[in-house]
Amino acid sequence: GESVGLHLPTLSVQEGDNSIINCAYSNSASDYFIWYKQESGKGPQFIIDIRSNMDKRQGQRVTVLLNKTVKHLSLQIAATQPGDSAVYFCAENIKTDKLIFGTGTRLQVFP
Amino acid sequence: NAGVTQTPKFQVLKTGQSMTLQCAQDMNHEYMSWYRQDPGMGLRLIHYSVGAGITDQGEVPNGYNVSRSTTEDFPLRLLSAAPSQTSVYFCASSSHVVGGMDTEAFFGQGTRLTVV
Repeated sequence: GESVGLHLPTLSVQEGDNSIINCAYSNSASDYFIWYKQESGKGPQFIIDIRSNMDKRQGQRVTVLLNKTVKHLSLQIAATQPGDSAVYFCAENIKTDKLIFGTGTRLQVFP
Repeated sequence: NAGVTQTPKFQVLKTGQSMTLQCAQDMNHEYMSWYRQDPGMGLRLIHYSVGAGITDQGEVPNGYNVSRSTTEDFPLRLLSAAPSQTSVYFCASSSHVVGGMDTEAFFGQGTRLTVV
């Protein structure tokens, strides 16, 4: 069936370090992926997306890497800041109008 | 610019009661959707709409109805509330259907529903 999962439920990093949040997806037909950030008490916020014909996409301080061979997606955050503390979700689209979300990884940034 | 507005923010229902969660967007987006978020789980799609007059089921549609009479509004109706429907509900909208690059989906602030 369709499923998206995450390897690490909680990630703790020191301020200034780089963070890497991982996500595994199960459906090889998925062709579009999105990372969302959700702060406490708020709705998810779009961070970055990538299509399956790409391996890498960069934004401001964030990079998404896609490895279709092993069906793995990662979000890299450079110079992690306290404001990056949140739950991060990956989501996949499988040639439909539906987004399937993973369970989320909590990122904690400590000084 | 209000974006996506959900009302109410909090609601307590008794088992068997019905209610409507409201969602409105002022960005003229065609695509709207409803998700529920339970502790320790990601967002699960309930229903979605690709335009006025068109709705379809998501992953967990049972117990919920939707309608899309206008582009702006996408209400979610609970027909007979059950404790299993206790959750946080999010409404989202985007300018295109999912799959287009940079098709950012905007989420509302959520409605926290408790069914006792």
